[in-house]
Amino acid sequence: DTGVSQNPRHKITKRGQNVTFRCDPISEHNRLYWYRQTLGQGPEFLTYFQNEAQLEKSRLLSDRFSAERPKGSFSTLEIQRTEQGDSAMYLCASSSPPANYGYTFGSGTRLTVV
Amino acid sequence: DQQVKQNSPSLSVQEGRISILNCDYTNSMFDYFLWYKKYPAEGPTFLISISSIKDKNEDGRFTVFLNKSAKHLSLHIVPSQPGDSAVYFCAATFQGGSEKLVFGKGTKLTVNP
Repeated sequence: DTGVSQNPRHKITKRGQNVTFRCDPISEHNRLYWYRQTLGQGPEFLTYFQNEAQLEKSRLLSDRFSAERPKGSFSTLEIQRTEQGDSAMYLCASSSPPANYGYTFGSGTRLTVV
Repeated sequence: DQQVKQNSPSLSVQEGRISILNCDYTNSMFDYFLWYKKYPAEGPTFLISISSIKDKNEDGRFTVFLNKSAKHLSLHIVPSQPGDSAVYFCAATFQGGSEKLVFGKGTKLTVNP
């Protein structure tokens, strides 16, 4: 198992464009999380899947953001009509309960909106 | 509001000495606490955790202490090594449910040879 894989590693886009990120979790993990980290801050929770069901979304996740996890495997995070404030590191993590073993994070996708 | 606070943005220690990283939390409902280490251009890596029913957990050179009455936890690294230089994040969660993590802003540890 190669851990949690995120693609692309870097994305530069123009304001107003749509972007999509992919996350491939550890295969036996049924939980998948998306976090966002901006400069000087810790990761902030965006959304959570258990298998294919999206069970929780943060109020940080505006209508321009959508996440899916078809068939409970990989997940995609799409941002529509990107804004400069969307520039951040987007982190994906997976786990199997209980979470006291800690999540496994991917290396993240760094989004820059110009 | 910041529910998990790491008030020291940075810490510098000499190799071989003890590193103490501190974390405070405000939500008394948190019942599990974790420390993550992050190197540049990598995702956070789980380091050590502690349940609210304990006051200490040890794993090799790393020990986490929890003081529930003070809503304070600390990570001790003994002895510190240059490879420990990284950003350390404190995180808290509620067991059961989504178990989403609430992170502090992090403390950058530099261990000087």
